Amino acid sequence: GAVVSQHPSWVICKSGTSVKIECRSLDFQATTMFWYRQFPKQSLMLMATSNEGSKATYEQGVEKDKFLINHASLTLSTLTVTSAHPEDSSFYICSARSGVSNYGYTFGSGTRLTVV
Amino acid sequence: RKEVEQDPGPFNVPEGATVAFNCTYSNSASQSFFWYRQDCRKEPKLLMSVYSSGNEDGRFTAQLNRASQYISLLIRDSKLSDSATYLCVVNFNNDMRFGAGTRLTVKP
Repeated sequence: GAVVSQHPSWVICKSGTSVKIECRSLDFQATTMFWYRQFPKQSLMLMATSNEGSKATYEQGVEKDKFLINHASLTLSTLTVTSAHPEDSSFYICSARSGVSNYGYTFGSGTRLTVV
Repeated sequence: RKEVEQDPGPFNVPEGATVAFNCTYSNSASQSFFWYRQDCRKEPKLLMSVYSSGNEDGRFTAQLNRASQYISLLIRDSKLSDSATYLCVVNFNNDMRFGAGTRLTVKP
């Protein structure tokens, strides 16, 4: 089945630094990837939709200059949290679809970000 | 009104119990529907898709009522390993929207 690899699994960084999270589709080409954020005891909230070769589409309220998304190939999308602050601490998860069907989406294992 | 609303839970049930979760969605043009399971500090994993005709997978039964914009998940003979958060997910034009999740704890 479709596998999405996400790393790092967890990261601790200092305020003001930037963190890059990678999301790779291992055995299929992902024309579209999605980035979510989940705060404790809350649902996944879609941050942005990443399309290969074009600019990402951000959800309302998500700062595109703070959360930089790059989808340069059909197997890799990256999310960079720039100038991270403690309030950015969260669980970030990517998901991907192969473009073949809407048979559910495959999720990465998530990245737990802690900004200190 | 939220796009996808679920029973808030938590549900605490004994082993062997039958438990049902409900979910309503606001977009009548939604195209596909799913139940995902999420364990603590893990990514969501697809439990089952939901079809208008209803579908069953072992102890799990999912139902969809498009007229009422309502989805349900029934778990029979609950196991300790069923303890998790269950997310109702609604898809419209490849835009997946998640419910807040319902937490289930199955106790011995």
